[in-house]
Amino acid sequence: DAGITQSPRHKVTETGTPVTLRCHQTENHRYMYWYRQDPGHGLRLIHYSYGVKDTDKGEVSDGYSVSRSKTEDFLLTLESATSSQTSVYFCAISANDRNTGELFFGEGSRLTVL
Amino acid sequence: QQPVQSPQAVILREGEDAVINCSSSKALYSVHWYRQKHGEAPIFLMILLKGGEQKGHDKISASFNEKKQQSSLYLTASQLSYSGTYFCGTVDRGSTLGRLYFGRGTQLTVWP
Repeated sequence: DAGITQSPRHKVTETGTPVTLRCHQTENHRYMYWYRQDPGHGLRLIHYSYGVKDTDKGEVSDGYSVSRSKTEDFLLTLESATSSQTSVYFCAISANDRNTGELFFGEGSRLTVL
Repeated sequence: QQPVQSPQAVILREGEDAVINCSSSKALYSVHWYRQKHGEAPIFLMILLKGGEQKGHDKISASFNEKKQQSSLYLTASQLSYSGTYFCGTVDRGSTLGRLYFGRGTQLTVWP
C-alpha cells in the first residue's frame, strides 16, 4: 500500500465554479503528480511537484493551478470549471524519492462539470 | 512530448504472444510501463533506464533501444489476467526531470 489517497472520489459541479482536488500521501515522497485521463488520450500530465512549494507545468496545465504547502498534500484547483475539464483525475507519487522511481497512483477522482 | 504507442488495440487467445511498441521523437532518459484494468488505477510493471536494457518478470518483459528512441513490451503466453490497457511513460533526456509523459495506451484483450 503506497499510502496515497484522493478526495473527493466523485464530484459533480457546474460550469464556472471553483473545484479543488486533494492528494494526500503518508510516505513523505518528494515527487507528486496530477494526471487527467480521457478516452483516447491516455494519461496527460497536468502539473507535478518536486518538493514543498516547488511545482512545474505539464502538457495540459491551462485552466489548472496547484499548490504544495506541505510534503504530504498536493492540491489541484480548477479556478472556474468548464465542461472540457470533465475527466478522471489521478494523483501519483514517485517511489524512492526519485522521479525515475515507479509511480504509485491514487484511486482517481471522477469530476463531472455540467 | 507524448510518446506514440502501437498498436492501439490487440485481441489475443490465451497462450498467444503480443508486442506493444512505444516510440518518442526525443532522446529518452527512461521508459516506464504500466497496466490499467477497467475502473482501476494504473499499476507499475517496470522501468528501463539504460539503452539496451531488458527487464522482465513472469512472462512480461521489455526492451529499450536508446538509439531508436523506442521501447517494446513483450507478453508471452498471454493469460486472461493480462487483459487491460498498457501505457508507456517516458522521461526525455535533457528535459527537467519529473516530467513523465504517457502514451495513449494499448488495449489488450485476452480471450479463453
